[in-house]
Amino acid sequence: QKEVEQNSGPLSVPEGAIASLNCTYSDRGSQSFFWYRQYSGKSPELIMFIYSNGDKEDGRFTAQLNKASQYVSLLIRDSQPSDSATYLCAVNDRQAGTALIFGKGTTLSVSS
Amino acid sequence: EPEVTQTPSHQVTQMGQEVILRCVPISNHLYFYWYRQILGQKVEFLVSFYNNEISEKSEIFDDQFSVERPDGSNFTLKIRSTKLEDSAMYFCASSEPDRGTEAFFGQGTRLTVV
Repeated sequence: QKEVEQNSGPLSVPEGAIASLNCTYSDRGSQSFFWYRQYSGKSPELIMFIYSNGDKEDGRFTAQLNKASQYVSLLIRDSQPSDSATYLCAVNDRQAGTALIFGKGTTLSVSS
Repeated sequence: EPEVTQTPSHQVTQMGQEVILRCVPISNHLYFYWYRQILGQKVEFLVSFYNNEISEKSEIFDDQFSVERPDGSNFTLKIRSTKLEDSAMYFCASSEPDRGTEAFFGQGTRLTVV
């Protein structure tokens, strides 16, 4: 059974701080790793993807991947109250059309 | 910006009734998916669809579920005889031919079975 594990939180950070969200996955065959943001009652919104070990930066977001440790993380710099949401980690085997396996998500709360 | 659109946004149905959830994927995307999210739980994969065929399906996607691309733009999920436990948000998603793993989600249909 392929599993993706996330700390459900809530993770509370003050405005302007760095938020660090973590995810582990069970299937060593996983090749693609995604972070989705989900506001309450809304659909998942793709914010980052990473395929290779190391860091990938996009604006205030940095995704980090360590396949040996089966670990993915998302850093949000200069956190804003509008970043308050649930962040979903998802993985798949990078074959087009295959299932994304989601974690339960980590709820982030950014206080102003 | 192109987006996946779903209709209706909310559907209430009686147990045992058939429902059809509709989706219009992003126009140049070729891979289509249905996911569901029961309240408070994780997003779960149901089925993927490519070239008019099911590519992959989960254990959830049993005989009461079916998918169809009835024309060049719509993608539908049919639940034949709804159960109370089918109550959930159903999300349609699509992905590009060359970036088939990066899926973009529609706004969802909230299905309530009473």
